[in-house]
Amino acid sequence: KAGVTQTPRYLIKTRGQQVTLSCSPISGHRSVSWYQQTPGQGLQFLFEYFSETQRNKGNFPGRFSGRQFSNSRSEMNVSTLELGDSALYLCASSLTGVDQPQHFGDGTRLSIL
Amino acid sequence: GESVGLHLPTLSVQEGDNSIINCAYSNSASDYFIWYKQESGKGPQFIIDIRSNMDKRQGQRVTVLLNKTVKHLSLQIAATQPGDSAVYFCAVRHGSGNTGKLIFGQGTTLQVKP
Repeated sequence: KAGVTQTPRYLIKTRGQQVTLSCSPISGHRSVSWYQQTPGQGLQFLFEYFSETQRNKGNFPGRFSGRQFSNSRSEMNVSTLELGDSALYLCASSLTGVDQPQHFGDGTRLSIL
Repeated sequence: GESVGLHLPTLSVQEGDNSIINCAYSNSASDYFIWYKQESGKGPQFIIDIRSNMDKRQGQRVTVLLNKTVKHLSLQIAATQPGDSAVYFCAVRHGSGNTGKLIFGQGTTLQVKP
């Protein structure tokens, strides 16, 4: 069974640009969550989607947004990039939500110049 | 809100010894706890989970202990191997039902000396 797939693995952008990251969950998983990982703040929750609806959101500015498609694939968008957005962005999927083990992809490393 | 802390940022053990990694949480209503292992360049890998109606759960070479009285969680790894070297995170579910979010601790780096 294929795991969670995130693309691209690496991205380099400049301040002010926008970026879209993609996540394909494990087959059959309908819940997709996104996390930001930085050395200083650790792993922080961004948002969770289930059946194309955002079900929960973390404490990030509105520049961070996401969506989920009918096949459960999810995208995350960050607009007006700032230097502080440099991080590893992780996607995790589970069958129905965060009351079950979430399985992570290997992330997208975003660097802002 | 919920906060999750780990007692030691780094733990160094000899190959073959047992390792114990600790975690503390703040919300007594927390009911779902997970341990993850993260190797360099990879995403967190699920190790074991436990719900609040249990005190102990065992997997292959790993045991998770939950002490709800003092809000403490630990991961025990038996006969630690070099392949166990990684960063270990505990995560606590904040919320109810199948919604909510996971709050992660800062991580403990486990170093296994051959």
